[in-house]
Amino acid sequence: GENVEQHPSTLSVQEGDSAVIKCTYSDSASNYFPWYKQELGKRPQLIIDIRSNVGEKKDQRIAVTLNKTAKHFSLHITETQPEDSAVYFCAASQPRSGSARQLTFGSGTQLTVLP
Amino acid sequence: DGGITQSPKYLFRKEGQNVTLSCEQNLNHDAMYWYRQDPGQGLRLIYYSQIVNDFQKGDIAEGYSVSREKKESFPLTVTSAQKNPTAFYLCATKLAGWGEQYFGPGTRLTVT
Repeated sequence: GENVEQHPSTLSVQEGDSAVIKCTYSDSASNYFPWYKQELGKRPQLIIDIRSNVGEKKDQRIAVTLNKTAKHFSLHITETQPEDSAVYFCAASQPRSGSARQLTFGSGTQLTVLP
Repeated sequence: DGGITQSPKYLFRKEGQNVTLSCEQNLNHDAMYWYRQDPGQGLRLIYYSQIVNDFQKGDIAEGYSVSREKKESFPLTVTSAQKNPTAFYLCATKLAGWGEQYFGPGTRLTVT
């Protein structure tokens, strides 16, 4: 099955700096890569996703890049703010018939933005 | 998001007891999922269901059971066979195709 590794497990940055979180996946058939943000005690929420036919996607201060050859993808957050402090999870998904696309999650990165 | 409810928010049980966690959705989503989250770990898939009366095991199904009698409901039973049941349990739903998985607020289960 799919295996997703995520690094680093913790990341501290100064407010205004950039943060980068990296993930690798094992199954070359994976074609969908979402990123979720989870604040303490809350549910995970999707912040950005990318499909395998695209190399990069941006949404304001957040961007995701995908390298299919190397089987890795990264989350980039620019101009970090204290409210960006949370746990971030990457995930990978393989195409399947029907509606129940399965996600395999990385172990998470605790991002702390220092004021 | 607001269309997925999990109850209760906190649940306490004695070892050896079965317990059922509720997940209800009014989003009309076809697929539903149960995940387990432990400190410092990602979300691990327990069971998922594409349609009513059908469900599949995920990566860590041992000691758990589910049912899908209605499209809106996907309850998870944590049985006494689950060796380490204390965890945060998240239910999720998804439309068919490329749709995003939406998560419920979760239930924190503590077994002593």
